Amino acid sequence: EADIYQTPRYLVIGTGKKITLECSQTMGHDKMYWYQQDPGMELHLIHYSYGVNSTEKGDLSSESTVSRIRTEHFPLTLESARPSHTSQYLCASSEYQGAREETQYFGPGTRLLVL
Amino acid sequence: GESVGLHLPTLSVQEGDNSIINCAYSNSASDYFIWYKQESGKGPQFIIDIRSNMDKRQGQRVTVLLNKTVKHLSLQIAATQPGDSAVYFCAENRSGSAGGTSYGKLTFGQGTILTVHP
Repeated sequence: EADIYQTPRYLVIGTGKKITLECSQTMGHDKMYWYQQDPGMELHLIHYSYGVNSTEKGDLSSESTVSRIRTEHFPLTLESARPSHTSQYLCASSEYQGAREETQYFGPGTRLLVL
Repeated sequence: GESVGLHLPTLSVQEGDNSIINCAYSNSASDYFIWYKQESGKGPQFIIDIRSNMDKRQGQRVTVLLNKTVKHLSLQIAATQPGDSAVYFCAENRSGSAGGTSYGKLTFGQGTILTVHP
């Protein structure tokens, strides 16, 4: 069982509100990721981080932003939520192993509904 | 562009049968593959992985087969149980470095819904 946590698990919010999705891991992993997933569909990488003070955009363009001030914490923020942001957001982490393959471990996800 | 896709979006089996879930990938530079299981309301859970220097790897009740010639990956589940019902994703990871840093990027396929009937 991976020690990676996400809160809230479910969030219903109105358009225009600012939201922050929390992600924490206790495995000491350097790398963390945020994915967006629509029901039954593949995961799309929207942000990742190599370590503290490192953040990069993923493959899928997203209006969200992230920060990495502490190794264990990788919050995602939407300044002004819109219905198009409705989706499931999954956080993951992995241990840096240089050029070797790295298995990512996922949190339970946050289901976001923007009205 | 690069993609990982699944041949069958749904698979329905009887309890006790063996299940085979297939995956095709297009990036010949991919050298590491992972199968994840995602149950309803949960995040993906690691099942098994395989590196490109192998063509078969076995775990507990699961076997992954890799055919690099045709860029095909499969997951075999023996004696499928109702608890195996979930969405199964294959993912590819091209290890190595870009600019001196590898970030272990995964590309996921669409997913196969496995339903096991008692």
